[in-house]
Amino acid sequence: EAGVAQSPRYKIIEKRQSVAFWCNPISGHATLYWYQQILGQGPKLLIQFQNNGVVDDSQLPKDRFSAERLKGVDSTLKIQPAKLEDSAVYLCASSLVLLAGASYNEQFFGPGTRLTVL
Amino acid sequence: GENVEQHPSTLSVQEGDSAVIKCTYSDSASNYFPWYKQELGKRPQLIIDIRSNVGEKKDQRIAVTLNKTAKHFSLHITETQPEDSAVYFCAAGRGYGGSQGNLIFGKGTKLSVKP
Repeated sequence: EAGVAQSPRYKIIEKRQSVAFWCNPISGHATLYWYQQILGQGPKLLIQFQNNGVVDDSQLPKDRFSAERLKGVDSTLKIQPAKLEDSAVYLCASSLVLLAGASYNEQFFGPGTRLTVL
Repeated sequence: GENVEQHPSTLSVQEGDSAVIKCTYSDSASNYFPWYKQELGKRPQLIIDIRSNVGEKKDQRIAVTLNKTAKHFSLHITETQPEDSAVYFCAAGRGYGGSQGNLIFGKGTKLSVKP
């Protein structure tokens, strides 16, 4: 099966500029996650969607970050305006919806977008 | 908030030796513990996972153990090979009653296997 797709793979911008990332999850995966991975650290959740609804955005810096998944499939993550500390790899992951009685479904990760803010 | 501690941060072994990476978690409601391998510039890929209803799971040279009482789980790699060199991340997540949350990741262990 095709994996999680992300674009662009690399982006270099200056601080205070805007940037947008795109993710296409595995077909049939209703749950979608955006993670931020700073160099030398593990991924940290920014936002989780189930279909087109937000499940968890408690760690999303809402003054500058926004995300949407209007039709419950593709998703975009936007940063406006960017700061130096936003330099990181932005990973999108997807999983099947958890059925009652099951404990957890594997998350599949995309290749990520490496953002450099100068 | 929830936290996952991972040790060591770097690990260097000789080819053929064993490698052990340890993690502790803070959320007692966590019931899913995956391990991801991330090669330089590539996506994290699941290598093994364990759920809270078992204490140990093995897949060829890789094994994971879980101690729910101590909130501790470990990755064991035997007969290491140079291609095992990568960064390994542990994580913890919870999923109940049709609802699945995100994964909380450790900071990673850079494993180097010397030929």
